[in-house]
Amino acid sequence: AQSVAQPEDQVNVAEGNPLTVKCTYSVSGNPYLFWYVQYPNRGLQFLLKYITGDNLVKGSYGFEAEFNKSQTSFHLKKPSALVSDSALYFCAVRVASGTYKYIFGTGTRLKVLA
Amino acid sequence: ETGVTQTPRHLVMGMTNKKSLKCEQHLGHNAMYWYKQSAKKPLELMFVYSLEERVENNSVPSRFSPECPNSSHLFLHLHTLQPEDSALYLCASSQNGAGYGYTFGSGTRLTVV
Repeated sequence: AQSVAQPEDQVNVAEGNPLTVKCTYSVSGNPYLFWYVQYPNRGLQFLLKYITGDNLVKGSYGFEAEFNKSQTSFHLKKPSALVSDSALYFCAVRVASGTYKYIFGTGTRLKVLA
Repeated sequence: ETGVTQTPRHLVMGMTNKKSLKCEQHLGHNAMYWYKQSAKKPLELMFVYSLEERVENNSVPSRFSPECPNSSHLFLHLHTLQPEDSALYLCASSQNGAGYGYTFGSGTRLTVV
């Protein structure tokens, strides 16, 4: 079965420290991987995606993610966290063409402490 | 604003009411989606429209009825809802093709009383 797992419901990190939000996936075919962020009472906003090419992709607000095919992971990272990064983060995978369907993870709440 | 506008932002309705949620995008996208977001649950894909045709309907109860009159507008008609239908309803749009991400609206917070 195809799935996306975000093993942590919540991640706490001190402001200025590096942060990692974990995502692993299980799909057949080539995965297209995405990260979205959701602020309170808002819809999801696109952060970054991996389609092909370099395993390290850079996105909005200083975030980056590393695609690791052997570990089927796509962890979200940022070198120095800001309090304003506190939000709900969703990993999603889309199977290659022929489907419109995303599979979303359950979300990880990131709390950056001042 | 993201380019996808949802109205209303908040809606409280009784179980016997009929109401509609509206979504509008002017991004030139050709696929639109309804998602349901409930607390501590994964996002649930409800409906997908591509080129104004419904291409996916994920076992959604018939008290939810989508309508896509053109590529820019998507509606979700609601009738005789249950309290467990209370959630954030998100509309999204995209270009066809797996490599394209979604653009989401801000959602409608629905409370069924």
